[in-house]
Amino acid sequence: GAVVSQHPSWVICKSGTSVKIECRSLDFQATTMFWYRQFPKQSLMLMATSNEGSKATYEQGVEKDKFLINHASLTLSTLTVTSAHPEDSSFYICSARVGGLNTGELFFGEGSRLTVL
Amino acid sequence: LAKTTQPISMDSYEGQEVNITCSHNNIATNDYITWYQQFPSQGPRFIIQGYKTKVTNEVASLFIPADRKSSTLSLPRVSLSDTAVYYCLVGLNQAGTALIFGKGTTLSVSS
Repeated sequence: GAVVSQHPSWVICKSGTSVKIECRSLDFQATTMFWYRQFPKQSLMLMATSNEGSKATYEQGVEKDKFLINHASLTLSTLTVTSAHPEDSSFYICSARVGGLNTGELFFGEGSRLTVL
Repeated sequence: LAKTTQPISMDSYEGQEVNITCSHNNIATNDYITWYQQFPSQGPRFIIQGYKTKVTNEVASLFIPADRKSSTLSLPRVSLSDTAVYYCLVGLNQAGTALIFGKGTTLSVSS
C-alpha cells in the first residue's frame, strides 16, 4: 500500500515556542491530506483537511491561526503548532487518501507525539 | 452526518472468532462502511470496506444487513497481536471532505 511518513516522531518543546510537523506521501501524490489529533485513550479528532495549493479547511473549534497548515507540494503537508502550550500536548497524525471520498483508503503516518513543557 | 456506535471494549481469547458490531442508523445512500485498526502510538491501518452484504479479505470479514443500519466486523481466530482499537467509519464531515472517526472498540486478546 501507499506510504505516508511523518517527522518528527516525537518532539518536546517549551511553552510559547512553535513546532513544525511534516507529513510526506512517499510513493504517491496526495492533493489532499488530513491532520488528526489524538489525546490519550481517545479517538482521532479531525483537525483540518489540507489541500495542495490552497487554504486548508479547518474543523469547527480548531484555531486556524494556532495550527498553521501548509500544503505546498503534492507530497508534503506541514502542520505548525504556534505558541504551543501544555494543553497542545497530543499525538498528531496525518493521512492521505487514495481513491474516492467514500470508497478511498486512508493511509496514515506514524504519528508525532508533541509534549509541551 | 452518520454517527456510529460501537461497544467500548471487548475481551477474547486466542483462537476465538471476534465479532464487533457497529450501529449507524442514519447512514446515507452513498456512504460506505470502513474499518480501521490502531495499535498504541501508531497511525490507524485499513482493515476492510463494504457497501452491502458480505465482504471478505485475508484478515477479516464484514457483514452488512440489507437495511445497512449496522455492520459487523468479524476477525477469525484472533491472536494476541490483534489486541488493538477498532474503528468503524461511516460518512463524511460537514464539509464533505473527510471520514470521521467514532470512539472505537478496544479489543483485548488474552492467552
